[in-house]
Amino acid sequence: GQNIDQPTEMTATEGAIVQINCTYQTSGFNGLFWYQQHAGEAPTFLSYNVLDGLEEKGRFSSFLSRSKGYSYLLLKELQMKDSASYLCAVMDSNYQLIWGAGTKLIIKP
Amino acid sequence: ETGVTQTPRHLVMGMTNKKSLKCEQHLGHNAMYWYKQSAKKPLELMFVYNFKEQTENNSVPSRFSPECPNSSHLFLHLHTLQPEDSALYLCASSRLAGEETQYFGPGTRLLVL
Repeated sequence: GQNIDQPTEMTATEGAIVQINCTYQTSGFNGLFWYQQHAGEAPTFLSYNVLDGLEEKGRFSSFLSRSKGYSYLLLKELQMKDSASYLCAVMDSNYQLIWGAGTKLIIKP
Repeated sequence: ETGVTQTPRHLVMGMTNKKSLKCEQHLGHNAMYWYKQSAKKPLELMFVYNFKEQTENNSVPSRFSPECPNSSHLFLHLHTLQPEDSALYLCASSRLAGEETQYFGPGTRLLVL
């Protein structure tokens, strides 16, 4: 079967750095997405990785290793508004998105 | 604001009611999706429409009936739902089905009593 694993919940301190991991086993791979979802709001697109390596976008970076079936989302200089759920999703060989259950990130002052 | 709107934002219905959820996208996309999001579970894809044609129906019970009159509008008709159908129903769109980043609406929070 297809599976996406990510931690259920993480806590970090304002101003610090946090890394949210995602591991996947899917039938085929056509890219990995990270989305942010604040409580009661729409998931919003953060990043897309299809090649190995690190993609940086301001305070957020996303890393992919296809051989290890592994990705992480790195958030730097954490702000209170970064408190949200972070969803990892992989596009499989049928171009369908397979979703993780999301990681709830709690930022403390 | 993602360019995808959904109404209503909240809905409470009895098991014998009939209601409809509406989604509209203002992005010029050709693919639209319905997802179910339950607490602490992965998003579940329900239906996919590409150029108004349904391309996916992921074993969704017949009490959920989608309708896509044009590429900008998507409906989900609900009838004789069960309490376990209570969830957040998300609509999304993308330029083309399957190969593009999806943009989500804020969802309809549904409670079935």
